[in-house]
Amino acid sequence: QQQVRQSPQSLTVWEGETAILNCSYENSAFDYFPWYQQFPGEGPALLIAIRSVSDKKEDGRFTIFFNKREKKLSLHITDSQPGDSATYFCAASSNYGNEKITFGAGTKLTIKP
Amino acid sequence: EAAVTQSPRNKVTVTGGNVTLSCRQTNSHNYMYWYRQDTGHGLRLIHYSYGAGNLQIGDVPDGYKATRTTQEDFFLLLELASPSQTSLYFCASSDSGGLDTQYFGPGTRLLVL
Repeated sequence: QQQVRQSPQSLTVWEGETAILNCSYENSAFDYFPWYQQFPGEGPALLIAIRSVSDKKEDGRFTIFFNKREKKLSLHITDSQPGDSATYFCAASSNYGNEKITFGAGTKLTIKP
Repeated sequence: EAAVTQSPRNKVTVTGGNVTLSCRQTNSHNYMYWYRQDTGHGLRLIHYSYGAGNLQIGDVPDGYKATRTTQEDFFLLLELASPSQTSLYFCASSDSGGLDTQYFGPGTRLLVL
C-alpha cells in the first residue's frame, strides 16, 4: 500500500514553461511534506518543504501548494531550466511516530531547451 | 552541511553471497537510515537507528540486518544475497528524525548475480 502517490511518473516541459508535479497521501496524520530533488548519480537532497498549517510555500521558482482537505499537494517549478531536469520525490511524515519519512515513487522531470 | 559517505560505491556478488554496505556521517546526527531505490517504488526504508546500539525495523526489512556501531557508523548486512536485492542503496542521516532534513549519501549500486 503506497501511502504517498506521485503523478505523473515522468514529465517533459519546454524551457521557460511551468512544470507541475502532483502528490497525494492517505494518512491524515501526515503533517510535514518535504520535496527532494535527485540528479543522476547522486543522492536525493531537500528542495523545499511545507507543514500542514500552511497552504503555500515559496522558494524562488519553486512553490508548494497544499490542500489538506483533499490530501493533495503539488510542486510548481516556474521558468523551468534545463538544470532542473531531475527526479523529484514527494515525502511525508507525522508528528506521531515521527522518526521516519515515507517517500513517493518519484516524478522524472525533463526540461527541453 | 552534513556529510554522509558510503562504501563501496559499486558491488557485485553472487546469489548466497555475504555483503556489507557501510555508511558514515560526520555531523553527529542522531538518526541514520538505510533505503533502497527501485524504479517505480521510489525510496523504501529498510532499517534505521536513533543512536549507537539501537536498531529499528523499517518497511522492507526482510533479508537485511543492520548494525549501528557508533554515532557515525551504520552498516547494512545481506547475509544470503538474492537477485531481488539488486538495487541502489542509500544511507541518510538526520538530527531529529522524520520532521528534519535527511542528508543522503551518494549511494551504493549492488548487483546480485
